[in-house]
Amino acid sequence: NAGVTQTPKFRVLKTGQSMTLLCAQDMNHEYMYWYRQDPGMGLRLIHYSVGEGTTAKGEVPDGYNVSRLKKQNFLLGLESAAPSQTSVYFCASSWRTGANVLTFGAGSRLTVL
Amino acid sequence: AQTVTQSQPEMSVQEAETVTLSCTYDTSESDYYLFWYKQPPSRQMILVIRQEAYKQQNATENRFSVNFQKAAKSFSLKISDSQLGDAAMYFCAYRSGEVTGGGNKLTFGTGTQLKVEL
Repeated sequence: NAGVTQTPKFRVLKTGQSMTLLCAQDMNHEYMYWYRQDPGMGLRLIHYSVGEGTTAKGEVPDGYNVSRLKKQNFLLGLESAAPSQTSVYFCASSWRTGANVLTFGAGSRLTVL
Repeated sequence: AQTVTQSQPEMSVQEAETVTLSCTYDTSESDYYLFWYKQPPSRQMILVIRQEAYKQQNATENRFSVNFQKAAKSFSLKISDSQLGDAAMYFCAYRSGEVTGGGNKLTFGTGTQLKVEL
């Protein structure tokens, strides 16, 4: 059982380039999230989705777009990468109700030069 | 908006000793959940313990226990009999108990780096 899988695990981009991070979960979770982790700042929510075809903004959405065309996948896109987007990105998923904890992926380290 | 504060960027503990990590939060809600996550060098986020605000009893998971003080909005993590494998970054997190269509979003603190010394 894979849980939450993120690809790629590492990526180096040049300023202005675009890329997509893929998150896949095999637990049939309704909710999915993208967080970024920066030193001294903990994890901050970028975007989230409460179901297939729906997305919503989190705390730090600027410069990112997301899509959830299939229930099991949640894509995070950077259209024009900036050095400020150098970070570690985490995807997570959870059930809809109750005290259901988030299951996290292993993270993706992105460096923008 | 809810905020979570971890005022100890770094902590050290001797192997086999006990350490307490602090966490305070600010909320106007009465129904919520609190969590401690562990992040070892592998980067994987691992749930350590969970507390429901409506429960007065403090949660315990083996060597890990919490001191939940609802009135003081404090949620500290106690690690007993510390082991080398406990060395990690620890994050405190808050989640609203209301199902408003906003998902089970977590608000994280900035983390406490725990070092375990021989």
